[in-house]
Amino acid sequence: GENVEQHPSTLSVQEGDSAVIKCTYSDSASNYFPWYKQELGKGPQLIIDIRSNVGEKKDQRIAVTLNKTAKHFSLHITETQPEDSAVYFCAASSSTNAGKSTFGDGTTLTVKP
Amino acid sequence: DGGITQSPKYLFRKEGQNVTLSCEQNLNHDAMYWYRQDPGQGLRLIYYSQIVNDFQKGDIAEGYSVSREKKESFPLTVTSAQKNPTAFYLCASSMDRFSPLRNTEAFFGQGTRLTVV
Repeated sequence: GENVEQHPSTLSVQEGDSAVIKCTYSDSASNYFPWYKQELGKGPQLIIDIRSNVGEKKDQRIAVTLNKTAKHFSLHITETQPEDSAVYFCAASSSTNAGKSTFGDGTTLTVKP
Repeated sequence: DGGITQSPKYLFRKEGQNVTLSCEQNLNHDAMYWYRQDPGQGLRLIYYSQIVNDFQKGDIAEGYSVSREKKESFPLTVTSAQKNPTAFYLCASSMDRFSPLRNTEAFFGQGTRLTVV
């Protein structure tokens, strides 16, 4: 089955700096890669996603890049703000596997004011 | 408002008791999922269902049971056979299985925190 590894497990940055979280996956059939943000005591919410036919996608301060050959994808947050502090999860899924997602273990991002 | 609702938010269970967590969605999604989240860890799949009256085991199904009698509802029972049930449980749903984009984002509920006392 799919295996997703996420690094780092914790990340602390100064407000205004950039943050980068990286994930690798093992199943070459995976073709959908969402990123979720989870605030304390709440369920995860999608912040950005990318499909395997695209190498990069951007939405304001958030961007995701995908390298299919190397089987890794990354989340980039620029101009970080204290409200970006949360746990971020990457995931990978394949349309041939019932659409189930395999999640990374999460990255706790802290943005210091 | 469309969404996915889990109840209760907090649940306490005595050892040896079964307990059922509720999950309801009005998004008209076909697929529903149950995940378990332990502190500092990712989401582990317990059970999932792609269609009414059908469900499949996930990675950690032992000690849990589910039913899918209605499209909108996917309750999870934590049985006394589950050795370490204290955790945060998340229900999710995703869209139409007939869509050309079969794998799409999952919409999560707000979770149920289960504590065994």
